[in-house]
Amino acid sequence: QSALTQPASVSGSPGQSITISCTGTSSDVGSYNLVSWYQHHPGKAPKLMIYEGSKRPSGVSNRFSGSKSGNMASLTISGLQAEDEADYYCCSYARSSTWVFGGGTKLTVL
Amino acid sequence: QVQLVESGGGVVQPGRSLRLSCAASGFTFSNYAMHWVRQAPGKGLEWVAVISYDGSNKYYADSVKGRFTISRDNSKNTLFMQMNSLRVEDTAVYYCAKGGAAVAGTLGYWGQGTLVTVSS
Repeated sequence: QSALTQPASVSGSPGQSITISCTGTSSDVGSYNLVSWYQHHPGKAPKLMIYEGSKRPSGVSNRFSGSKSGNMASLTISGLQAEDEADYYCCSYARSSTWVFGGGTKLTVL
Repeated sequence: QVQLVESGGGVVQPGRSLRLSCAASGFTFSNYAMHWVRQAPGKGLEWVAVISYDGSNKYYADSVKGRFTISRDNSKNTLFMQMNSLRVEDTAVYYCAKGGAAVAGTLGYWGQGTLVTVSS
């Protein structure tokens, strides 16, 4: 049950696009189309932004998109806005009916 | 709307026990798997456990297996986590999350969390 690998931090200016990577293994990301992404503002409940790799829940801005290739998943945020500044976590279903999170990425909007 | 409210957190000494609860509303609780996820101070999210919609299947992270027990009372729309033999490293905010119809379903909604501090 090793954590998925994410960059510790990314940054971008308003209006720009950024991509956060999430690297797993053939036991998790690579084996299932069950990668999700969460936005977490400290002190608040994490919010689902992307599920099943690339699907957006109702109410989530279409500026957020997800993709997956092999053992790596990615979250792209386009047209960065100040309110996007938060921690972002990827999560994947894994073997033996368990789940694993990434270490988290702090997004700073410059 | 989906609401998940955790309770039961507090300060406890190493080796002691604590029971967390999560009251659910706004959806048919008995139709969904439920999860516990935690976040230690300054650290990332860590998945802890999941229970199937009817309580018949339970799965745990290696870090808590044998010490923590997840359970649910569908008649009261409540999820529980019994935490025994607590360690300092169990100190974290504990979140409950609504899963999918199956254990493999996405964690779609989360509560605000309850803080557990294990300290002598």
